[in-house]
Amino acid sequence: SQQGEEDPQALSIQEGENATMNCSYKTSINNLQWYRQNSGRGLVHLILIRSNEREKHSGRLRVTLDTSKKSSSLLITASRAADTASYFCAAINGSGNTGKLIFGQGTTLQVKP
Amino acid sequence: DTEVTQTPKHLVMGMTNKKSLKCEQHMGHRAMYWYKQKAKKPPELMFVYSYEKLSINESVPSRFSPECPNSSLLNLHLHALQPEDSALYLCASSRGGIVQRGYNEQFFGPGTRLTVL
Repeated sequence: SQQGEEDPQALSIQEGENATMNCSYKTSINNLQWYRQNSGRGLVHLILIRSNEREKHSGRLRVTLDTSKKSSSLLITASRAADTASYFCAAINGSGNTGKLIFGQGTTLQVKP
Repeated sequence: DTEVTQTPKHLVMGMTNKKSLKCEQHMGHRAMYWYKQKAKKPPELMFVYSYEKLSINESVPSRFSPECPNSSLLNLHLHALQPEDSALYLCASSRGGIVQRGYNEQFFGPGTRLTVL
């Protein structure tokens, strides 16, 4: 079953604005990861947040994790046209590290110049 | 070398053909993965190899046959595919074997775009 559900499904903003994407999951997790995928290409790992962490930053990225609500958010600040891509959250069940990374449906972000 | 490479980039095959997809990494990663991704959908896990042993097969049809000849290489052998198997096939690797916590950030290759006629 789907581990991550994301919203919005699509987001269109102007360059310089912030973009926020949300992810909800169903079971306990070991960690939650965010990936970016440019059209028709491989995924790029952006950031990993562990279940005992609440917030993490990497450059213009800020990820939060609320295990009580089983949700995470990805904030991209001062967006650029090059941020246009699909963004996926992904998690591995906390019950054991099976290697089975399950992805959410993804948010398609368009940043207009 | 910090990348996962996949060949070929594009593959067109008939339903009676036999072909193979190849994936290679030289990061010393001990887990390798095959995913299938349809347009506008998230990747779906097919197989996981940990320390060159098949650990997970997500009930994938036998017309897909994975092989891990060594810790750096992962193949996906294709035979008698159907048009609905057309998709982007992604390979990924991660540092630890699947039993190691904390090392499951995955590094993806660019994918092979497969079209089955």
